[in-house]
Amino acid sequence: GAGVSQSPSNKVTEKGKDVELRCDPISGHTALYWYRQSLGQGLEFLIYFQGNSAPDKSGLPSDRFSAERTGGSVSTLTIQRTQQEDSAVYLCASSLRGENIQYFGAGTRLSVL
Amino acid sequence: DQQVKQNSPSLSVQEGRISILNCDYTNSMFDYFLWYKKYPAEGPTFLISISSIKDKNEDGRFTVFLNKSAKHLSLHIVPSQPGDSAVYFCAASARGSQGNLIFGKGTKLSVKP
Repeated sequence: GAGVSQSPSNKVTEKGKDVELRCDPISGHTALYWYRQSLGQGLEFLIYFQGNSAPDKSGLPSDRFSAERTGGSVSTLTIQRTQQEDSAVYLCASSLRGENIQYFGAGTRLSVL
Repeated sequence: DQQVKQNSPSLSVQEGRISILNCDYTNSMFDYFLWYKKYPAEGPTFLISISSIKDKNEDGRFTVFLNKSAKHLSLHIVPSQPGDSAVYFCAASARGSQGNLIFGKGTKLSVKP
């Protein structure tokens, strides 16, 4: 596809359930980032993948959050035992290696009831 | 502790006039700055950027100014158009970082016809 694709666009879940969010980056982009935007806040960095290197997980807020990237392309962000404070828009971005400009998907709006 | 600050949550401007959006930062390691524009229910879209070796970058109606001594940058839009109404995020990248961006909280620009 032409841009970064994220699914689902909206997800409503009950507190305590696990959720998986998917990101399909721009073809050829080796770098992939996950951010989240809580209400009234800026984008908060979560995790970064670059090629086959070990990911930078320094932004993950707790061990309930994890992410993987298969085959250097599609990435899945998993949130276990969701809490109400996890409600936010989760955004994925990709870029070419060494490029500062990141291209974002439309995001997944997660609502934890 | 916010490293990138956008102190004006909102700005209203008349069509045809200049819009000036401001951004301050605290980390002297930042060496690349970007502005993103975000419409509701869409991901942020890259608008314009500037390297710390420059003090101005212009692209059509959009100009970004960087004042390193003041740790301040601004985005000028002239002339402003109703289609420019969106939330504008300032972002910064640090020298030696993996490329993850540090975002401000955004400024909502409304351009009135």
